Amino acid sequence: DAGVTQSPTHLIKTRGQHVTLRCSPISGHKSVSWYQQVLGQGPQFIFQYYEKEERGRGNFPDRFSARQFPNYSSELNVNALLLGDSALYLCASSRTGAETQYFGPGTRLLVL
Amino acid sequence: GEDVEQSLFLSVREGDSSVINCTYTDSSSTYLYWYKQEPGAGLQLLTYIFSNMDMKQDQRLTVLLNKKDKHLSLRIADTQTGDSAIYFCAESGGSGNTGKLIFGQGTTLQVKP
Repeated sequence: DAGVTQSPTHLIKTRGQHVTLRCSPISGHKSVSWYQQVLGQGPQFIFQYYEKEERGRGNFPDRFSARQFPNYSSELNVNALLLGDSALYLCASSRTGAETQYFGPGTRLLVL
Repeated sequence: GEDVEQSLFLSVREGDSSVINCTYTDSSSTYLYWYKQEPGAGLQLLTYIFSNMDMKQDQRLTVLLNKKDKHLSLRIADTQTGDSAIYFCAESGGSGNTGKLIFGQGTTLQVKP
């Protein structure tokens, strides 16, 4: 079975633009979580979705939003990009959200 | 509060054992995890331990959990150059079943030939 997939792998944007990142979970997994990893730090929790409902949200501004589709794939949207949004964005999937999370390769976002 | 602390750097010789340590604060964590991250890559799940266990062994990896002291360690036996990476400790924090993972800042393991 394929693991968690994310697209695109790399992205360059300028300040003020918006970005959409995509994630497909492992087959059979119904929960997707998003994390932001700034260079030199551990990942920080942004959102978790289970069965298309938001189950948890981290300490991120309203510029960050997400959704989960009926096929359990997910999108993370970031509006009004700031330089500080430059990071590796990681998606993780799990069966129910409360179980072991498996991570994708990430999307590296650079904001200029 | 929720916090996970790790030492930042560990250097060992190939063939030696490596021990990476982690402390956490949330005593209600159900699972504790170790993930490995190679340069430019995502996180690879190495192993995990349920909070009611003291030890778990998986091939070259041994996880020890001291719940009283909220201390978790990962021992890698016969460390190889391919083990060079950043290792993250994570606890399953948050109330209910949010599954939110709280990560430490990562320990960079350098394996010298």
